[in-house]
Amino acid sequence: KNEVEQSPQNLTAQEGEFITINCSYSVGISALHWLQQHPGGGIVSLFMLSSGKKKHGRLIATINIQEKHSSLHITASHPRDSAVYICAVSSNTGNQFYFGTGTSLTVIP
Amino acid sequence: EAGVAQSPRYKIIEKRQSVAFWCNPISGHATLYWYQQILGQGPKLLIQFQNNGVVDDSQLPKDRFSAERLKGVDSTLKIQPAKLEDSAVYLCASSLNLEQTQYFGPGTRLLVL
Repeated sequence: KNEVEQSPQNLTAQEGEFITINCSYSVGISALHWLQQHPGGGIVSLFMLSSGKKKHGRLIATINIQEKHSSLHITASHPRDSAVYICAVSSNTGNQFYFGTGTSLTVIP
Repeated sequence: EAGVAQSPRYKIIEKRQSVAFWCNPISGHATLYWYQQILGQGPKLLIQFQNNGVVDDSQLPKDRFSAERLKGVDSTLKIQPAKLEDSAVYLCASSLNLEQTQYFGPGTRLLVL
């Protein structure tokens, strides 16, 4: 079993839809990261959070430490949001990083 | 602010050959990471440096992979000899310090034939 599980694996949405990507983890963490990877390989760090909620533009990330669960929400989705979204956690022991396998999002005009 | 630079962007080699990748982190970033991302999988941390010291290399296949960051700035990752299963994107990232936001480079796409 992977330390980080994401769902769904693939997601297709119509432009304008509200999108949610979920991440569950099984290890103790010091921080959770949401990453965006566009075709061609470039990775951008969207959020790093250890509690509560963060918002950046149309993106919102939440984390529930007790339930070991995080969600990434995209409001008013746009075709340029099409990318792979990866959840990763920094463990609170041993400087380990664990990555989910990503959610491939396609937003159709 | 300049981002993380990596070179080359693409490399094609035959199995048993050697290859080296270079990474220049964001200026002032103490922590540098090398990841391997095989197609369809999430990135796997290979090695993490804090300045010129190794923090974690538990997932680095040390029989063929080596990495160094001699002056605590640039880093090189070497594979010698390469195997078919080493075909992947090799990503470099840096952060201001441990457990802070990581910034990723564009990656080096390696194909081993």
